[in-house]
Amino acid sequence: AQSVTQLGSHVSVSEGALVLLRCNYSSSVPPYLFWYVQYPNQGLQLLLKYTSAATLVKGINGFEAEFKKSETSFHLTKPSAHMSDAAEYFCAVQNQAGTALIFGKGTTLSVSS
Amino acid sequence: NAGVTQTPKFQVLKTGQSMTLQCAQDMNHEYMSWYRQDPGMGLRLIHYSVGAGITDQGEVPNGYNVSRSTTEDFPLRLLSAAPSQTSVYFCASSSGTAIYFGEGSWLTVV
Repeated sequence: AQSVTQLGSHVSVSEGALVLLRCNYSSSVPPYLFWYVQYPNQGLQLLLKYTSAATLVKGINGFEAEFKKSETSFHLTKPSAHMSDAAEYFCAVQNQAGTALIFGKGTTLSVSS
Repeated sequence: NAGVTQTPKFQVLKTGQSMTLQCAQDMNHEYMSWYRQDPGMGLRLIHYSVGAGITDQGEVPNGYNVSRSTTEDFPLRLLSAAPSQTSVYFCASSSGTAIYFGEGSWLTVV
């Protein structure tokens, strides 16, 4: 069975600091991995996805994630946090049949000035 | 492009009432799914469908029914609403790794 674990339900950074949101996955097959962002009272917005091409995936808003098979990780990073990055972030893996996503429990990012 | 359309966006129900959350997609995707989002729980799969006439249960199916009579539509029915079904509901349609979500339906059961 596949699963996703997001380490840290809440991460706080200062504006301009590095953002690192951690995601580890479990999958018996090569995974397809996703990061979504959700702003308060909004829907889900796709940040980036890994589909077995390049291991370093660049997304929107300056975010990127690196797929590391040896560590079963897909951590999300951004070099310099902006106040507008404050939101909830979800990591997800597509299930083996390709019919749905399995989500982590989410990480809330707070950015202080 | 409309993508995935969910209605209603907001709804307040009384315990025991029934209602249907509508989901429609215009991309001719075979796969559609419903999720619920609760604080600290992420999104959890309720039901999914791999094509017209084919549905299956996800992680949290109790209290919900679905049907898929057409490729475009995948309604989610709450037969007798309970306060535990207060949640945000998302519908999705997909083809491969191209996954599209609706804007969500905020449901409160009082």
